[in-house]
Amino acid sequence: AQSVTQPDIHITVSEGASLELRCNYSYGATPYLFWYVQSPGQGLQLLLKYFSGDTLVQGIKGFEAEFKRSQSSFNLRKPSVHWSDAAEYFCAAGDFGNEKLTFGTGTRLTIIP
Amino acid sequence: KAGVTQTPRYLIKTRGQQVTLSCSPISGHRSVSWYQQTPGQGLQFLFEYFSETQRNKGNFPGRFSGRQFSNSRSEMNVSTLELGDSALYLCASSPGQGLNEKLFFGSGTQLSVL
Repeated sequence: AQSVTQPDIHITVSEGASLELRCNYSYGATPYLFWYVQSPGQGLQLLLKYFSGDTLVQGIKGFEAEFKRSQSSFNLRKPSVHWSDAAEYFCAAGDFGNEKLTFGTGTRLTIIP
Repeated sequence: KAGVTQTPRYLIKTRGQQVTLSCSPISGHRSVSWYQQTPGQGLQFLFEYFSETQRNKGNFPGRFSGRQFSNSRSEMNVSTLELGDSALYLCASSPGQGLNEKLFFGSGTQLSVL
């Protein structure tokens, strides 16, 4: 079955430190891959997406993600986090021709001063 | 441009009742998707509508249904509510079909079933 796994339920980092959120997928073929962010009481906002081509994808708010086919991973990174980055982050995947997105269970990010 | 609007924002119902949630997509968007978000199951796809037709359906019982109107607004209905239906229901719209189209999410309707 198709699945997306985010191994880390909760991550705490210091403001200004680097961040990496992990995401692994299990699909028959390479899916479309996405990272979304959800602030409390809000809907989801798309950070970035990967369809094909360059495996390093740049997104909004200074985020980037790297697709690694050999590891079935699509990890999200940011060189220096800001307090406003505290939120829940979701990795998602989908098949071409199928509009359904499969989400990971999310990683809650806490930023400490 | 106004974003995706979901009404009501909060809803409290009792078991056995039915509920209708509404979603107004961004103007010009023709595709509307619904997702259920719970702490235990995370985000799960309910269904997707495009041009008033259901194009995709997730693994939910028949108590969950939806429809889309000619102005692209969508409603979701849950009949015979169960405690486990308590969740945040998110609606997302996009200009067309396909995952290459960017999804815009509403803030959701928080449903509590007592």
